[in-house]
Amino acid sequence: QVQLQESGPGLVKPSGTLSLTCAVSSGSISNTNWWSWVRQPPGKGLEWIGEIYHSGSTNYNPSLKSRVTISVDKSKNQFSLKLSSVTAADTAVYYCARKMYSSGWKGFDYWGQGTLVTVSS
Amino acid sequence: EIVMTQSPATLSVSPGERATLSCRASQSVGSNLAWYQQKPGQAPRLLIYDASTRATGIPARFSGSGSGTEFTLTISSLQSEDFAVYYCQQYNNWPPVLTFGGGTKVEIK
Repeated sequence: QVQLQESGPGLVKPSGTLSLTCAVSSGSISNTNWWSWVRQPPGKGLEWIGEIYHSGSTNYNPSLKSRVTISVDKSKNQFSLKLSSVTAADTAVYYCARKMYSSGWKGFDYWGQGTLVTVSS
Repeated sequence: EIVMTQSPATLSVSPGERATLSCRASQSVGSNLAWYQQKPGQAPRLLIYDASTRATGIPARFSGSGSGTEFTLTISSLQSEDFAVYYCQQYNNWPPVLTFGGGTKVEIK
């Protein structure tokens, strides 16, 4: 079954850029799925950040759109997140996830284990 | 943005009892709603999509209902492994702005 694995720095300085990569295994990133980033501040709920299709099409959460870039590397079967101008409010566990397709795109059926990113000097 | 509101925030239930969780959307999302279970230190797990369709491998004691703005997740007989936080999520609009509810924690009574 599909596996997703996040990687990237666990500590980012304020005003810096958070960069994470999600490697997809046991499945092709070029299948009929959208690939998302979701975050969860410690002790809080889930927030969708944005998504990308293998063609490079993207959709972003309007609340983060000015700071977010999601890209895909089909040759490496992975996709990436960049979040700029970070503050302490961006401290969270960041998950990558696959939006399933079943006669339309539905919920997120596969998730990475999540990676904690702390914004601190 | 469609706001999802879950109630109650915390639900205390004894093992073997039924649990009923509610999710309300600020505007109609049709049947474009999913439910997730999240245990401490773990990623969410998809339970239900399209408001009432169980995801692969999900036990029959989990059921979803509703449409429009009112949705319910029912766990018919709580098992020890079901104590967790549950989130609803809508995926109705295009281009998508996917939103989650704030969660309901199901705890042991």
